[in-house]
Amino acid sequence: DAGVIQSPRHEVTEMGQEVTLRCKLISGHNSLFWYRQTMMRGLELLIYFNNNVPIDDSGMPEDRFSAKMPNASFSTLKIQPSEPRDSAVYFCASSWTSGGLDTQYFGPGTRLTVL
Amino acid sequence: KQEVTQIPAALSVPEGENLVLNCSFTDSAIYNLQWFRQDPGKGLTSLLLIQSSQREQTSGRLNASLDKSSGRSTLYIAASQPGDSATYLCAVGQYNFNKFYFGSGTKLNVKP
Repeated sequence: DAGVIQSPRHEVTEMGQEVTLRCKLISGHNSLFWYRQTMMRGLELLIYFNNNVPIDDSGMPEDRFSAKMPNASFSTLKIQPSEPRDSAVYFCASSWTSGGLDTQYFGPGTRLTVL
Repeated sequence: KQEVTQIPAALSVPEGENLVLNCSFTDSAIYNLQWFRQDPGKGLTSLLLIQSSQREQTSGRLNASLDKSSGRSTLYIAASQPGDSATYLCAVGQYNFNKFYFGSGTKLNVKP
C-alpha cells in the first residue's frame, strides 16, 4: 500500500495567489482529515470528511479556505487568496471509520510558504 | 474544550535508558487516546491507540497506559535507541466532538 499521498511536497507562493493542495487517501479508507501544523499553534484539525461528506469544518480559519472531495479517494484544500499567516505544514490523514476516532494514517505533508 | 499537555517539551537521554513520556488532558470523558511519532520533515506515524475501556497497550518496546480518572497517559519506551529520536505526540479522542485534540509533543533525543 502506498500510504496517503500529498502533493506538492513544497509550495512557495506570493501573497494573494491561489494555492491548491492535494491528497489521495489509502485505498479502502472512508474518512479524510486536513490538519495544519505551526510552531505557535501545534497541530490543528481544519476539516474532516466521512464518505465524501464534510462532517466538521469548524477548524477552517475563514472563507479563504475551502476543501472538497470530488470522489472517494481524492481531496483538495484550496486557499484563495493566500496570506503570509497561512504559511505552515498541511497534513492530510485518512482512516477507516464511522465516527472519526479510529487510527489515522498521515501523509508526508505539504510545506506552504506564502511570501 | 479539551486541553492536552505534554511535559517535558524536550528530553535527552543516553542510549539504553528506559524512559517515560507524559500526556495529561483536562476532560476525562474521552473516547480513546493515540500516541504518534513524528520525524523531522515527515508526517505522523501512529504508534498505539488505547480505547477508553483499556488500561494499556503494548507494541514491542513501547507500552502506553491510560488513567482516565486522573486525566493522564504515559508512553514507556524500554531500552531506548538512537533511532527512537523523534517528536512524540499524544492525541485525545473526544467522542462528543468527534475529533482528536493533539498535545504539542515531546522532542526526544537518544544519544549514542
